[in-house]
Amino acid sequence: AQTVTQSQPEMSVQEAETVTLSCTYDTSESNYYLFWYKQPPSRQMILVIRQEAYKQQNATENRFSVNFQKAAKSFSLKISDSQLGDTAMYFCAFMKGQAAGNKLTFGGGTRVLVKP
Amino acid sequence: DTGVSQDPRHKITKRGQNVTFRCDPISEHNRLYWYRQTLGQGPEFLTYFQNEAQLEKSRLLSDRFSAERPKGSFSTLEIQRTEQGDSAMYLCASSLMSQPGSGNTIYFGEGSWLTVV
Repeated sequence: AQTVTQSQPEMSVQEAETVTLSCTYDTSESNYYLFWYKQPPSRQMILVIRQEAYKQQNATENRFSVNFQKAAKSFSLKISDSQLGDTAMYFCAFMKGQAAGNKLTFGGGTRVLVKP
Repeated sequence: DTGVSQDPRHKITKRGQNVTFRCDPISEHNRLYWYRQTLGQGPEFLTYFQNEAQLEKSRLLSDRFSAERPKGSFSTLEIQRTEQGDSAMYLCASSLMSQPGSGNTIYFGEGSWLTVV
């Protein structure tokens, strides 16, 4: 079974600054996907960024980027130029299999508070 | 496309009553998932369907829980004889499973919050 661990329960950051969220996972699978989801106070889970394990290049989506270290089984998320709207719970998630569409295993989440 | 919709958004019920939640996935999405989330925790997988077939059920899904997707479109999650421990947010999600390696995204609804008193 896969496990996903987020060791930071809560992080705060000043507006316009950068914050990095940690995520480690444990799996024996060789083909998998990793995700970061954002859950604002309205509670709808929104995909932030996705990384395919077979790709060495780190994924980037605008102000969001990841540092994927496959050997270390680490998948951190960096939020640059933080905005007030980034305040939310952030969940790291794992999906096994070469074909996405299988179930997600989530970490416990990190609450991010962006301060003006 | 209006996204994944769930109904009701909030439900308060007395212990021992039955409750049913409905999920309408994004049109043409063939996979539908149910997750449970308690306050301050990450979502936990319950079950998922491909079209009308239920492909996997978590051991979290006790005999009191049943999920259906009779025509491969909307799905219902019923909880019988509710217990206080069932109080949680029930999240529905959907995706389009096509070619391997295509990396299809799983889209979530806003959830149905259940409070058992």
